[in-house]
Parts: sequence; C-alpha cells; structure tokens
Amino acid sequence: SQTIHQWPATLVQPVGSPLSLECTVEGTSNPNLYWYRQAAGRGLQLLFYSVGIGQISSEVPQNLSASRPQDRQFILSSKKLLLSDSGFYLCAWSVPLGVAGGEQFFGPGTRLTVL
Amino acid sequence: RKEVEQDPGPFNVPEGATVAFNCTYSNSASQSFFWYRQDCRKEPKLLMSVYSSGNEDGRFTAQLNRASQYISLLIRDSKLSDSATYLCVYNAGNMLTFGGGTRLMVKP
Repeated sequence: SQTIHQWPATLVQPVGSPLSLECTVEGTSNPNLYWYRQAAGRGLQLLFYSVGIGQISSEVPQNLSASRPQDRQFILSSKKLLLSDSGFYLCAWSVPLGVAGGEQFFGPGTRLTVL
Repeated sequence: RKEVEQDPGPFNVPEGATVAFNCTYSNSASQSFFWYRQDCRKEPKLLMSVYSSGNEDGRFTAQLNRASQYISLLIRDSKLSDSATYLCVYNAGNMLTFGGGTRLMVKP
C-alpha cells in the first residue's frame, strides 16, 4: 500500500530564516506530487505541483520554491520566511491523470509558525 | 464568485439525525468530484468520490447534478465521530479545487 510521509510535524521559525520541508511517498511510482498551504480557518491553497522529476509548476507567486530531486521526494523551501508564511503545509500525491479519477492523498502535514 | 461554494456552518445536530450538505461549483469542465473529511488540525482524508448516478457508502450518500452544477452529501444516523469539516472538491485536469468546507458538530 502507498504511504506518504512529511516532516517535521511542527516547526517554529523566526522571520527571515530559511525553510525546508520534506515529503516522501512509498509504494507507488511516478506519482503526481503537490504542496498545499492551509491558513488558520481557511481553505487549501495549491502552491506547487509536479508530474515528474525536476518538473515543477507554481500556482501562486511567493517567496517559496519547490524541488523534486527524486521520483518520490518533494521538497518545499524558502530562503527567507515571512510572517504570512505561517500555516499548515500539506503534501499530497495522486496517480497520473487518466489512470484514476484524480483523487489525491495527503500526508500528515507540517504546522509552521513564523514569529 | 468562488470556484467552489459551501456553507461554512457549523451545522449542530443531535446524534442519530440526518444532515445534508450542498456545494456549488463554477467550472463546467470539472471532470470528477469528491468529498473529503478533515478533522481539526489533521490532513484531509478522502471520504468518497461522487458519481453522476449518485453513490452510497454505508450511511453516506453523494449526489451530483451537472446541469445545476451542485454536489450533495447526505449523512444518515449521525455519530459523534462524524464531527469534522467536510470539503467539497472537484478535479479539472491534474488539479483539485477545494471548497472552504462545512463544519459539522454532532452532539450527544
């Protein structure tokens, strides 16, 4: 069966510090991978998605970036965090389009607080 | 207009009640539809897909009306454990678009 891991679970960082969040998927090959952010009491905002190694699409311009160095690894980064970067960061995977209905499966998330 | 509109609630219902949520979407090119459940401070989890013919999974029934562009979720015999936020979602291409969620609180 497929599993998705994210770490760390919680993170408190000062403004201006760098960020690296990691997501890995097991039990599947060539998944689509996604990064979302959910601000407190708000809906999910898609940040980045990737259909393959080295292929990243950005949905929202911001001071975050994403990379996919391996098939089942997705990394979210920032060089300098802003207060507005606080939120619940969720990684998700899906099978490639056409194989299934497009359902996405989420990792446990990282709760980031920028102070 | 939001791409997916849901009543944020909260819906406060007693145990055993039947509760229904509706959701409207604006993208007529939407290909597939889902309901996700999100518990407080947890990740969303897929509850069920929604098919054009309607589908049922135990106490949960989902309906899709493409002509009117709305989706519904019916929960029968509510349990305390059903308390959560229910997210209406559609898929267009590789992307999922999420509604803001409807909060359900089931009381003893």
